[in-house]
Amino acid sequence: NAGVTQTPKFQVLKTGQSMTLQCAQDMNHNSMYWYRQDPGMGLRLIYYSASEGTTDKGEVPNGYNVSRLNKREFSLRLESAAPSQTSVYFCASKVYEQFFGPGTRLTVL
Amino acid sequence: DAKTTQPPSMDCAEGRAANLPCNHSTISGNEYVYWYRQIHSQGPQYIIHGLKNNETNEMASLIITEDRKSSTLILPHATLRDTAVYYCSDSGGYQKVTFGTGTKLQVIP
Repeated sequence: NAGVTQTPKFQVLKTGQSMTLQCAQDMNHNSMYWYRQDPGMGLRLIYYSASEGTTDKGEVPNGYNVSRLNKREFSLRLESAAPSQTSVYFCASKVYEQFFGPGTRLTVL
Repeated sequence: DAKTTQPPSMDCAEGRAANLPCNHSTISGNEYVYWYRQIHSQGPQYIIHGLKNNETNEMASLIITEDRKSSTLILPHATLRDTAVYYCSDSGGYQKVTFGTGTKLQVIP
């Protein structure tokens, strides 16, 4: 099993550009999550999906959209990137304990 | 939303027990307590979880107070490789899992 995979690993954007972060899990988990982690800070929940077909806002949803494409995949979209969105983005999935992906390191110039 | 609070940092001598506290004053009766750790900038990794009783696995022990408002993660014989940021969390009401700011544990030789 690959667990939770994220693409890309690194990305540099200019202000105003858009992009989609991809996440997939092969553990048949119902719940999936997107977090952001700023330097030296903890994890903040952006959006989550408790089950296929549902999505809900987390603590910091502004500037982001998500799509639960199917049970395996949960994508995060930045429509118009801003420097404040420079961060490391982690995807996670769970039934009980969470399994995290390796992260996407995003820089917005 | 359930909130957790942890001390921002702790030191522990190598070979000694590391005791990391967490307050989860708003945890609901049926929510589990979870602990994770994050080494460098990797995705967090699951350590242990519990509901009411104390738990032990090959990595750590977990003590939960009778009122469930606080817990302590115990690393019985800390090694340098245990230097990391440790997060406590809960199972998430309606699957909404949030984290506090974590405790940065420094194991000192």
